[in-house]
Amino acid sequence: SQKIEQNSEALNIQEGKTATLTCNYTNYSPAYLQWYRQDPGRGPVFLLLIRENEKEKRKERLKVTFDTTLKQSLFHITASQPADSATYLCVSGRGSTLGRLYFGRGTQLTVWP
Amino acid sequence: SQTIHQWPATLVQPVGSPLSLECTVEGTSNPNLYWYRQAAGRGLQLLFYSVGIGQISSEVPQNLSASRPQDRQFILSSKKLLLSDSGFYLCAWSPQGGASGNTIYFGEGSWLTVV
Repeated sequence: SQKIEQNSEALNIQEGKTATLTCNYTNYSPAYLQWYRQDPGRGPVFLLLIRENEKEKRKERLKVTFDTTLKQSLFHITASQPADSATYLCVSGRGSTLGRLYFGRGTQLTVWP
Repeated sequence: SQTIHQWPATLVQPVGSPLSLECTVEGTSNPNLYWYRQAAGRGLQLLFYSVGIGQISSEVPQNLSASRPQDRQFILSSKKLLLSDSGFYLCAWSPQGGASGNTIYFGEGSWLTVV
Protein backbone atom coordinates (compact mmCIF):
# COMPACT_ATOMS: atom_id res chain seq x y z
CA SER A 1 0.00 0.00 0.00
CA GLN A 2 0.99 3.61 -0.34
CA LYS A 3 3.01 5.21 2.43
CA ILE A 4 3.09 8.94 3.03
CA GLU A 5 5.96 10.35 5.03
CA GLN A 6 6.08 13.85 6.38
CA ASN A 7 9.64 14.10 7.51
CA SER A 8 9.28 16.75 10.16
CA GLU A 9 6.94 16.23 13.04
CA ALA A 10 7.38 19.84 14.07
CA LEU A 11 8.62 23.00 12.40
CA ASN A 12 9.17 26.30 14.18
CA ILE A 13 9.75 29.48 12.21
CA GLN A 14 9.66 33.20 12.75
CA GLU A 15 6.81 35.32 11.51
CA GLY A 16 7.38 36.65 8.02
CA LYS A 17 9.57 33.75 6.93
CA THR A 18 8.59 31.07 4.45
CA ALA A 19 7.59 27.73 5.92
CA THR A 20 8.43 24.70 3.79
CA LEU A 21 6.89 21.33 4.63
CA THR A 22 7.94 18.09 2.95
CA CYS A 23 5.87 15.11 1.93
CA ASN A 24 7.35 11.96 0.40
CA TYR A 25 5.47 8.99 -0.97
CA THR A 26 6.58 5.46 -1.66
CA ASN A 27 5.40 2.88 -4.16
CA TYR A 28 3.18 4.17 -6.93
CA SER A 29 2.86 7.73 -8.10
CA PRO A 30 -0.45 9.11 -6.87
CA ALA A 31 -2.88 10.73 -9.25
CA TYR A 32 -2.90 13.73 -6.96
CA LEU A 33 -1.70 15.00 -3.63
CA GLN A 34 -3.69 17.10 -1.24
CA TRP A 35 -2.78 19.27 1.71
CA TYR A 36 -5.03 19.82 4.69
CA ARG A 37 -4.78 22.02 7.74
CA GLN A 38 -5.83 20.70 11.14
CA ASP A 39 -6.20 22.82 14.24
CA PRO A 40 -6.17 21.16 17.69
CA GLY A 41 -9.41 19.34 18.41
CA ARG A 42 -10.85 20.12 14.98
CA GLY A 43 -11.35 18.22 11.77
CA PRO A 44 -8.89 18.74 8.90
CA VAL A 45 -9.71 21.43 6.37
CA PHE A 46 -8.83 21.07 2.70
CA LEU A 47 -6.30 23.59 1.36
CA LEU A 48 -4.89 22.57 -1.99
CA LEU A 49 -4.84 19.71 -4.48
CA ILE A 50 -2.15 19.16 -7.09
CA ARG A 51 -2.32 16.53 -9.83
CA GLU A 52 0.62 14.48 -11.00
CA ASN A 53 0.77 16.33 -14.32
CA GLU A 54 1.05 19.67 -12.52
CA LYS A 55 4.36 20.99 -11.29
CA GLU A 56 3.07 23.76 -9.10
CA LYS A 57 -0.17 25.13 -7.68
CA ARG A 58 -0.71 28.40 -5.85
CA LYS A 59 -3.42 29.84 -3.66
CA GLU A 60 -2.81 33.19 -2.02
CA ARG A 61 0.24 32.68 0.25
CA LEU A 62 0.29 28.93 -0.31
CA LYS A 63 2.28 27.05 -2.92
CA VAL A 64 2.48 23.33 -3.54
CA THR A 65 4.87 21.49 -5.83
CA PHE A 66 4.79 17.93 -7.09
CA ASP A 67 7.99 16.21 -8.21
CA THR A 68 7.32 12.71 -9.50
CA THR A 69 11.04 12.06 -9.95
CA LEU A 70 11.80 12.72 -6.31
CA LYS A 71 8.41 11.30 -5.23
CA GLN A 72 7.92 14.42 -3.23
CA SER A 73 5.59 17.32 -2.64
CA LEU A 74 6.62 20.56 -0.99
CA PHE A 75 4.15 22.85 0.71
CA HIS A 76 5.17 26.48 1.17
CA ILE A 77 3.58 29.22 3.23
CA THR A 78 5.09 32.59 2.39
CA ALA A 79 5.04 35.57 4.75
CA SER A 80 3.99 33.24 7.53
CA GLN A 81 1.85 34.49 10.38
CA PRO A 82 1.16 33.15 13.89
CA ALA A 83 -2.35 32.30 12.65
CA ASP A 84 -0.75 29.80 10.29
CA SER A 85 0.26 27.69 13.28
CA ALA A 86 -1.43 24.32 12.90
CA THR A 87 -0.75 20.76 11.80
CA TYR A 88 -0.56 20.24 8.06
CA LEU A 89 -1.43 16.90 6.54
CA CYS A 90 -0.28 15.52 3.22
CA VAL A 91 -2.68 13.10 1.54
CA SER A 92 -2.27 10.98 -1.57
CA GLY A 93 -5.02 9.62 -3.73
CA ARG A 94 -5.45 7.55 -6.83
CA GLY A 95 -8.09 8.67 -9.28
CA SER A 96 -11.55 7.56 -8.33
CA THR A 97 -10.59 4.73 -6.02
CA LEU A 98 -12.97 5.43 -3.21
CA GLY A 99 -11.68 5.42 0.31
CA ARG A 100 -8.09 5.00 -0.80
CA LEU A 101 -6.66 8.17 0.56
CA TYR A 102 -3.42 7.82 2.45
CA PHE A 103 -2.74 10.39 5.13
CA GLY A 104 0.62 11.41 6.47
CA ARG A 105 0.96 11.95 10.19
CA GLY A 106 1.28 15.65 9.70
CA THR A 107 3.78 18.37 10.46
CA GLN A 108 3.03 20.70 13.34
CA LEU A 109 3.95 24.22 12.31
CA THR A 110 4.50 26.93 14.89
CA VAL A 111 5.02 30.50 13.73
CA TRP A 112 6.34 32.73 16.47
CA PRO A 113 6.19 36.53 16.45
CA SER B 1 -23.42 25.09 0.44
CA GLN B 2 -22.67 21.73 1.94
CA THR B 3 -22.34 21.17 5.65
CA ILE B 4 -21.54 18.19 7.78
CA HIS B 5 -22.73 17.71 11.33
CA GLN B 6 -21.35 15.21 13.77
CA TRP B 7 -22.42 14.48 17.35
CA PRO B 8 -21.86 14.18 20.19
CA ALA B 9 -18.73 16.32 20.31
CA THR B 10 -17.46 14.70 23.49
CA LEU B 11 -18.27 11.35 25.03
CA VAL B 12 -17.01 9.50 28.10
CA GLN B 13 -18.12 5.91 28.20
CA PRO B 14 -17.28 2.95 30.47
CA VAL B 15 -15.67 -0.17 29.08
CA GLY B 16 -18.27 -2.58 27.77
CA SER B 17 -20.90 0.06 27.11
CA PRO B 18 -22.40 0.66 23.65
CA LEU B 19 -21.51 3.51 21.33
CA SER B 20 -23.38 5.49 18.75
CA LEU B 21 -21.88 8.42 16.87
CA GLU B 22 -24.01 10.11 14.25
CA CYS B 23 -23.19 12.18 11.23
CA THR B 24 -25.36 13.94 8.68
CA VAL B 25 -24.48 15.84 5.54
CA GLU B 26 -26.59 18.63 4.09
CA GLY B 27 -26.58 20.37 0.76
CA THR B 28 -25.55 17.44 -1.40
CA SER B 29 -26.93 14.10 -2.50
CA ASN B 30 -25.42 10.64 -2.80
CA PRO B 31 -22.12 11.56 -1.13
CA ASN B 32 -19.38 9.14 -0.26
CA LEU B 33 -19.24 8.94 3.52
CA TYR B 34 -16.34 8.03 5.79
CA TRP B 35 -15.47 7.39 9.40
CA TYR B 36 -11.88 8.03 10.47
CA ARG B 37 -10.16 7.69 13.80
CA GLN B 38 -7.19 9.72 14.94
CA ALA B 39 -5.32 8.45 17.97
CA ALA B 40 -3.07 10.83 19.89
CA GLY B 41 0.14 11.50 17.96
CA ARG B 42 -0.89 9.30 15.07
CA GLY B 43 -2.26 9.80 11.60
CA LEU B 44 -5.81 9.40 10.41
CA GLN B 45 -7.00 5.83 10.14
CA LEU B 46 -9.87 5.02 7.81
CA LEU B 47 -12.42 2.83 9.56
CA PHE B 48 -15.38 2.64 7.18
CA TYR B 49 -16.55 4.16 3.96
CA SER B 50 -19.84 4.05 2.10
CA VAL B 51 -20.77 4.78 -1.49
CA GLY B 52 -24.52 4.45 -0.97
CA ILE B 53 -27.35 3.49 1.35
CA GLY B 54 -26.66 0.16 3.01
CA GLN B 55 -23.25 -0.16 1.33
CA ILE B 56 -20.47 -0.24 3.91
CA SER B 57 -16.83 -1.17 3.44
CA SER B 58 -14.64 -1.86 6.45
CA GLU B 59 -10.96 -1.09 6.37
CA VAL B 60 -9.87 -2.35 9.76
CA PRO B 61 -11.22 -5.37 11.66
CA GLN B 62 -12.45 -4.22 15.03
CA ASN B 63 -15.42 -4.20 17.34
CA LEU B 64 -16.91 -1.17 15.59
CA SER B 65 -19.58 -1.17 12.92
CA ALA B 66 -21.10 1.43 10.63
CA SER B 67 -24.48 1.87 9.04
CA ARG B 68 -25.98 4.18 6.46
CA PRO B 69 -29.75 4.10 6.92
CA GLN B 70 -30.32 7.19 4.77
CA ASP B 71 -28.45 8.81 1.91
CA ARG B 72 -26.85 11.51 4.04
CA GLN B 73 -26.68 9.80 7.41
CA PHE B 74 -23.77 7.74 8.66
CA ILE B 75 -23.63 6.06 12.06
CA LEU B 76 -20.70 4.51 13.89
CA SER B 77 -21.58 1.97 16.54
CA SER B 78 -20.18 -0.50 18.97
CA LYS B 79 -21.92 -3.04 21.17
CA LYS B 80 -19.13 -3.15 23.74
CA LEU B 81 -16.42 -0.51 23.93
CA LEU B 82 -12.80 -1.31 24.67
CA LEU B 83 -10.23 1.00 26.22
CA SER B 84 -8.41 0.99 22.90
CA ASP B 85 -11.44 2.56 21.21
CA SER B 86 -10.60 5.90 22.80
CA GLY B 87 -9.70 8.55 20.27
CA PHE B 88 -10.86 11.33 18.03
CA TYR B 89 -13.47 10.18 15.52
CA LEU B 90 -14.08 12.10 12.35
CA CYS B 91 -16.93 11.78 9.93
CA ALA B 92 -16.28 13.00 6.41
CA TRP B 93 -17.85 13.16 2.99
CA SER B 94 -16.72 13.55 -0.60
CA PRO B 95 -18.64 14.05 -3.81
CA GLN B 96 -19.34 11.06 -6.02
CA GLY B 97 -17.11 10.72 -9.02
CA GLY B 98 -13.72 11.00 -7.41
CA ALA B 99 -11.81 10.96 -10.65
CA SER B 100 -11.41 14.71 -10.42
CA GLY B 101 -9.78 14.50 -7.03
CA ASN B 102 -11.26 12.89 -4.00
CA THR B 103 -11.33 15.94 -1.77
CA ILE B 104 -12.72 15.07 1.59
CA TYR B 105 -14.66 17.39 3.87
CA PHE B 106 -14.50 16.62 7.54
CA GLY B 107 -16.85 17.17 10.43
CA GLU B 108 -15.73 18.73 13.66
CA GLY B 109 -14.98 15.39 15.28
CA SER B 110 -16.07 13.48 18.35
CA TRP B 111 -13.78 12.89 21.30
CA LEU B 112 -14.37 9.47 22.80
CA THR B 113 -12.82 8.49 26.10
CA VAL B 114 -13.40 4.96 27.28
CA VAL B 115 -12.85 4.58 31.02
